[in-house]
Formats: sequence, C-alpha cells, structure tokens
Amino acid sequence: NFMLTQPHSVSESPGRTVTISCTGSSGNIATDYVQWYQQRPGSAPTTVIYEDDQRPAGVPDRFSGSIDSSSNSASLTISGLMPEDEADYYCQSYDINGCGVFGGGTKLIVL
Amino acid sequence: DVQLVESGGGLVQPGGSLKLSCATSGFIFSNSAIHWVRQSSGRGLEWVARIRSKAKTYATTYAASVKGRFAISRDDSKDTAYLQVNSLRTEDTAVYFCVGSTTNGDYWGQGTQVTVSS
Repeated sequence: NFMLTQPHSVSESPGRTVTISCTGSSGNIATDYVQWYQQRPGSAPTTVIYEDDQRPAGVPDRFSGSIDSSSNSASLTISGLMPEDEADYYCQSYDINGCGVFGGGTKLIVL
Repeated sequence: DVQLVESGGGLVQPGGSLKLSCATSGFIFSNSAIHWVRQSSGRGLEWVARIRSKAKTYATTYAASVKGRFAISRDDSKDTAYLQVNSLRTEDTAVYFCVGSTTNGDYWGQGTQVTVSS
C-alpha cells in the first residue's frame, strides 16, 4: 500500500524558516499532485498548497511547496514563521488506484 | 464566499446507517470533484471516498476500509453531495468532512460528527 511519511513534529523560532517533508513509500510522487493542509486545534483543515506548488487565494507567499523526484518526496516550506503558523500540517496525494492517501501529519511548534 | 456545510451525523448503533449531506455554495459544484475525509478524535486525517464530475463520468473511488459499506453520490441540480454510510462499526466513529476540489484548490467544510456506539 502506498504511504506518505511525515515527521511527527518540527519546531522552529519565529521569523525563521521551516521545511516539512512528505516521502512516498513507492512509485513516483511526481505522478500525481500533492496537496498540503493546515489544521489548527479545534478547526477544520484548510488548504495551504495544492497541485504541488500552487497557493490558494489568501494564503501568504511565506508558504511554498515543491517536489523532489530524486528522493520521492514533497516539501512544504514556511518562511518568516509566525506564532499563528503553529498547527498540524498534512500532505495528501493519491495511490495507483486513485484512492486518496494522507501523511500522518506534522505538528509544527513555533517556539 | 465558498461554503460547504455537512449535516446528517449523529449517534447510531453498530450495524446502523446514516446519510450525510454536504450542501455547497460559492464555487462551480458541477465541475468539481467531491471528497469525504474523516478524522477520529486526536487522530490524523483519513480519506474516505471521492466522486468526480459529470465530465469525468461521476467516477467514484473508495478507501478499502469502507468499500462495500459506504456510497458517495451527488446532485448537481442542488449543489449537494452525499455519503450513505451503512453497516457502521465502532471504528467508523469520527468527524466526517466534505471537501470540494476546484481549480483554485480544495475547500473544506466544518464536519459532522458520527458516533457509533451501543
């Protein structure tokens, strides 16, 4: 079964840059688009990146997404960290059967 | 403004059924795929099902954990999607989110709680 693996947690100081990785267990992660969702405690998720590197309207350009086929991974980079960026972040893509797959989520702690 | 509003959740006994609804506005529903995603308390997100648009023949896909028990559908005339959940198990207890996939990204509803307990 295709899986996406994320670090359980990352922490960084305000104003700094953090990168969250999302590694595919097999195949080529570039075959299908990767999305990134932010979920603050007690709230529904919202989209911060879609189609690998696209930002929805209203998402600051401090958020960026990328794909690295050589490591079969996607990354979410957040620059100029702000306290309100503290949240859980999930990557999502699809397996070979078209079924959605989520990473386990990464808790971002802004120190 | 884009809105997705789920309803139909509740408390049900094991083996029971519910029909969840997702009423939408603010985007072109008929052109958009709709997903259902669930989240158990304190846990991560689990993808449940997807229905594509008419242009993609309303194709449906299900997670292995729900295939044969859940059915996703849509009514483009009402901008509403549904998830019929049957043969419920305690492990289906979760908040169920509706997600609209548009050309401008995915939009999420606030979710509806489904609790399966005797």
